[in-house]
Amino acid sequence: SQELEQSPQSLIVQEGKNLTINCTSSKTLYGLYWYKQKYGEGLIFLMMLQKGGEEKSHEKITAKLDEKKQQSSLHITASQPSHAGIYLCGAALDSNYQLIWGAGTKLIIKP
Amino acid sequence: DTGVSQDPRHKITKRGQNVTFRCDPISEHNRLYWYRQTLGQGPEFLTYFQNEAQLEKSRLLSDRFSAERPKGSFSTLEIQRTEQGDSAMYLCASSSNQGTGAFFGQGTRLTVV
Repeated sequence: SQELEQSPQSLIVQEGKNLTINCTSSKTLYGLYWYKQKYGEGLIFLMMLQKGGEEKSHEKITAKLDEKKQQSSLHITASQPSHAGIYLCGAALDSNYQLIWGAGTKLIIKP
Repeated sequence: DTGVSQDPRHKITKRGQNVTFRCDPISEHNRLYWYRQTLGQGPEFLTYFQNEAQLEKSRLLSDRFSAERPKGSFSTLEIQRTEQGDSAMYLCASSSNQGTGAFFGQGTRLTVV
């Protein structure tokens, strides 16, 4: 069973449109990590958030961590085919940084 | 050293055989993690090393599974008497103590037939 809830499970978006993926925990998080995975491959690190209210951006991807440090969102602006893949959130509950994981969100970009 | 590397990328084995996977972490990282991932799921934690010490093992890791990191550098994960339920992607990741993010290898996809 997943200790982090990710939503939606899958998403089909027209190229150029914006989208948001959410990750929710019932526990206060020590750190929140976003990864991207292509089918059959390893995970690519995107961003890490640690402070309540923190927001980070990289190119067209923005991730936020709420003030309570229990929910994070990943927002993609003007989606492109290269954004397609599976997005996974991982969370550290303490300073050991052993991650628990959401089930992933499969993103498909329609041309 | 450009990242975490895992070998082999793919392994097909007959039920009952033993298999061993290797992971070479980023050289300056002292933490090394093994995860297992099945289709449509996030990674499941298997075990974790700090340098050469194995600090935690998941209850998922039955006595058929063993992992080592003898010199605190590369690690091996061995599965003895493989079962069909062992078929999965086995992921290795490494990180520093600062919690700046774990970096993953490409994984080893195991198929037990």
